[in-house]
Order: sequence, then C-alpha cells, then structure tokens
Amino acid sequence: QKEVEQDPGPLSVPEGAIVSLNCTYSNSAFQYFMWYRQYSRKGPELLMYTYSSGNKEDGRFTAQVDKSSKYISLFIRDSQPSDSATYLCAMSAGLTSGTYKYIFGTGTRLKVLA
Amino acid sequence: GAGVSQTPSNKVTEKGKYVELRCDPISGHTALYWYRQSLGQGPEFLIYFQGTGAADDSGLPNDRFFAVRPEGSVSTLKIQRTERGDSAVYLCASSLNLGTDTQYFGPGTRLTVL
Repeated sequence: QKEVEQDPGPLSVPEGAIVSLNCTYSNSAFQYFMWYRQYSRKGPELLMYTYSSGNKEDGRFTAQVDKSSKYISLFIRDSQPSDSATYLCAMSAGLTSGTYKYIFGTGTRLKVLA
Repeated sequence: GAGVSQTPSNKVTEKGKYVELRCDPISGHTALYWYRQSLGQGPEFLIYFQGTGAADDSGLPNDRFFAVRPEGSVSTLKIQRTERGDSAVYLCASSLNLGTDTQYFGPGTRLTVL
C-alpha cells in the first residue's frame, strides 16, 4: 500500500462546477500538506500549503485537512477550462521524521468542459 | 527569470551512456531537491541538499545515480550506465531554507533512454 493514495481520474466537470479532489494517507507523522497543479509537460506549481488540521482558503481554492481521518481535500469553486490540469497532493512529516522530503500522490487529471 | 531553471529540457541518450542534468535554484534558496516523475505517476523523491551537503539521499535508486552541489547553488544530477528504466522527467525544486518552507519546482528535464 502506498503512503499516499489519490484517485488518478480522469475527472470531467462542466464549467462553473465545484470540484472536489481528495487524498488519503497512512503515515500519521505527516504534518505538512500541499496541493500542486501540473499542466502537461510543465513542472508542478504550488497552489496551497497547510500545516496540521484545518481549512485554508485562497480565492477559488479551499484546502481541508482532517488528520484524524488521514484525509485531505482541495475544493475548486466556479471551475474554469483553464483549471484543466493534473492536481497533485503532497505531504511531509518534517522535523518529526528527520527528513523534509515530499511524498506525492499519483495526481488526479481534471478536465473542465466549456 | 526568478524561478527554478533546468537544463536541458530534453535529453535523449542510448542505453549505457552517462548523462548530467543541471538545476539552477531560485536565488537565495539554500535547500535544493531532486525528484523523478514517471508517466502517470507523482514525483518520487531522490535527494535533497542543504547548502553543499546532501542531507538525505535515501531516494537514490542505486549507485548509478549521484548528485552534487559544490558551491551551494547549482546542482548536477549524474546518471551512469543509463538504463531504459531511467526514462522519466527529472524535477528539481528549491526552498528558502530546509524545513517548513515550501518547495518550488522547475520545469523538469525529460530523459529518454533508447
């Protein structure tokens, strides 16, 4: 079993829809949770960074972390065709594990239809 | 530019050859990370540096892979006796400091081993 599980999709939604993307994880030491967006043949671009449990909002994006369930989510409101990309969750245990490497999910391919 | 840059953007080589991949981090960033991304997968950690020293090289798959960062800025990932299974996108990231600072990724080098 992978440390981080993410449904690869593809996920197709109509323009304007609310998109929900999720990851589950098994390592209870993870403290830092990130969402990256990756367009085809480009490097990952940071969208959201969250420490520990709770919610964080930035424009149309909301990140949620539920450490008790080992479950994180990214919500995209009013989705646009330009949001079509692969969304990667990433996690890190940080100082508690003595390493700062990120563990990534496989990524979910999202397509927003005009 | 202000972002992480990687050269070359594409590299095609023959099985058994030696390759070097270069990463220029964001100016002032002390931590530098290498990841490898295979098709349809999330990035997989290889190694990271704090300054000139490799702080965690636990992700290097075998002794054919080696990375250096002699002056604490530019880094080179070196792969000896390349194999077809080494074909992937090699991503570099940097962060201001090692620790809780987020990692910013470059566009990657697409390596194809024939």
